[in-house]
Amino acid sequence: DQQVKQNSPSLSVQEGRISILNCDYTNSMFDYFLWYKKYPAEGPTFLISISSIKDKNEDGRFTVFLNKSAKHLSLHIVPSQPGDSAVYFCAASSGGYQKVTFGTGTKLQVIP
Amino acid sequence: DSGVTQTPKHLITATGQRVTLRCSPRSGDLSVYWYQQSLDQGLQFLIQYYNGEERAKGNILERFSAQQFPDLHSELNLSSLELGDSALYFCASSPGSHNEQFFGPGTRLTVL
Repeated sequence: DQQVKQNSPSLSVQEGRISILNCDYTNSMFDYFLWYKKYPAEGPTFLISISSIKDKNEDGRFTVFLNKSAKHLSLHIVPSQPGDSAVYFCAASSGGYQKVTFGTGTKLQVIP
Repeated sequence: DSGVTQTPKHLITATGQRVTLRCSPRSGDLSVYWYQQSLDQGLQFLIQYYNGEERAKGNILERFSAQQFPDLHSELNLSSLELGDSALYFCASSPGSHNEQFFGPGTRLTVL
């Protein structure tokens, strides 16, 4: 049972344009959502998060939007840069035990 | 550098064998998490320890076990290894009061 889904395995975007990565979840108990970025041969790196009490969180070029009614979140990167090329994982957690459920990832390629 | 260290980086072994993966969390972090990433798969949560005690369990096989020691480092023991256990194993740590996790570089296990 995949509770966090990233339906696009890959995405290609031109440098300078907006990258939009999508994530859907099924568990209504999730109350905290995170995005991680992963380069080859490295561990995932935390990027940005959002609590379920918010619908938007922004950090520089990265913005995460949460639509609780649709159980959907998205990560916007603008402007996209070649260094953003990586695999992006969406993750969600609930309660105080911090068990985090990850999606399968979307590979982003930013073309110079 | 996340501050989380994992040893060894690579491990090649045979079916039926037993291996131990080691993780040292960031200084001050009380929580340690273990994840498995198989080819083309997302990050599968295995188990979490908090200050020496098991806190949450995910899809961890009975052939796998883990523990967190008084100095907070953790070990993941994999026994009766099968070909399908070949994967990247990541350790992550967090302070315990935040949901952001810091990942180590991973151990690549190959079972022949």
